Amino acid sequence: EVKLVESGGGVVQPGGSLTLSCAASGFTFVDFAMHWVRQAPGQGLEWVSLVGGDVRHKVYADSVKGRFTISRDNSRNSLYLQMNSLRTDDTALYYCVKDDGDGYNFDYWGQGTLVTVTS
Amino acid sequence: DIVMTQSPLSLSVTPGEPASISCRSSQSLLHSNGNNHLDWYLQKPGQSPRLLIYLGSTRASGVPDRFSGSGSGTVFTLKISRVEAEDVGVYYCMQAQQTPLTFGGGTKVEI
Repeated sequence: EVKLVESGGGVVQPGGSLTLSCAASGFTFVDFAMHWVRQAPGQGLEWVSLVGGDVRHKVYADSVKGRFTISRDNSRNSLYLQMNSLRTDDTALYYCVKDDGDGYNFDYWGQGTLVTVTS
Repeated sequence: DIVMTQSPLSLSVTPGEPASISCRSSQSLLHSNGNNHLDWYLQKPGQSPRLLIYLGSTRASGVPDRFSGSGSGTVFTLKISRVEAEDVGVYYCMQAQQTPLTFGGGTKVEI
């Protein structure tokens, strides 16, 4: 059974930093790209970033480029999102999402971890 | 960036009746391999989204056959042949053609 469990969310002041983690199980982690997708309260879905299975391929949404860093540790079956210079509009539920390996289709989602940026 | 536009914003449906959601993209999602890189997701109340349809018309594992996807290029449709109470939630289309991956604004389906 595929499981994705996010952690690391919390309340942070504008300009602060936070690192999200996602523990993956139930599949061969290294074989699949992984994504972060976020959802602001009461709003729709926004794709944030992806990292390929080999770690080298990383892509970011313009809204987070230069502030967020995606990474993964294939030995620990874990995905990370380092978030710096946080802004109030980064407030959202952050989902860890597995790619199906057939072209950016999101076949499994975690339950999400909430990040609140407020002064 | 590819802009995704869904309609309607909300839909009130009667159990047993059909329902249809439209999604348009600002650029063609038809790949040279003949596939349309368009996904449909359903987010039920209080839950994470779930993949329903990928490549425009392929049902994901475990998705009931009352759900079907169609369309090509820039115009796509998700159809529910006979709506059930468990189908309530927000439906999103997403283009998987190129990064940044982009979602439509969502269609809220209510009974």
